[in-house]
Amino acid sequence: AQSVTQPDIHITVSEGASLELRCNYSYGATPYLFWYVQSPGQGLQLLLKYFSGDTLVQGIKGFEAEFKRSQSSFNLRKPSVHWSDAAEYFCAVVTYNFNKFYFGSGTKLNVKP
Amino acid sequence: SQTIHQWPATLVQPVGSPLSLECTVEGTSNPNLYWYRQAAGRGLQLLFYSVGIGQISSEVPQNLSASRPQDRQFILSSKKLLLSDSGFYLCAWSRMTGGNSPLHFGNGTRLTVT
Repeated sequence: AQSVTQPDIHITVSEGASLELRCNYSYGATPYLFWYVQSPGQGLQLLLKYFSGDTLVQGIKGFEAEFKRSQSSFNLRKPSVHWSDAAEYFCAVVTYNFNKFYFGSGTKLNVKP
Repeated sequence: SQTIHQWPATLVQPVGSPLSLECTVEGTSNPNLYWYRQAAGRGLQLLFYSVGIGQISSEVPQNLSASRPQDRQFILSSKKLLLSDSGFYLCAWSRMTGGNSPLHFGNGTRLTVT
């Protein structure tokens, strides 16, 4: 069965510091992977997606993620965090027929001034 | 461009009362439609998804049901709410075919069952 694990529930970083959020997936075939961000009380916004090709994908708001098949990981990174990046981040995988999307439990990011 | 509307934004209902949450999508046809629930401090739980009118797949047995009476309309219902139904409900859509289509979410409904 497909599953997504985000091992970090909360992360706090200082503004201007780099960020890496971890995501591990379990999927029998080639995965299609996503990162979403959610501000409090809002829906989820797509940051980036990976379907195939280059394993380093660029997204909005200066985020990037790297797909590593050998580690079953799809970690999200940002070189310099801004206070406005404080939110909850979700990693997701979709089934081969694109009918079901499975999400990790999320990582809450706090940004210290 | 495509938009998704979900209402109401906030709802407070007593235990045992019925529920109806509605979601509509504009600007696309024949989308896949989804209902997710997000409980406090937890991730997103897929409740239902639909690949066409009248076609509903349930992921988790529960007190809720879903219907898709029109191509771009998705309704989440309950006959009698439980306290455990409280949460943040999110409707989403994706393109049905061709792959490489992410989920697009509505702004959610905060349901509090008292």
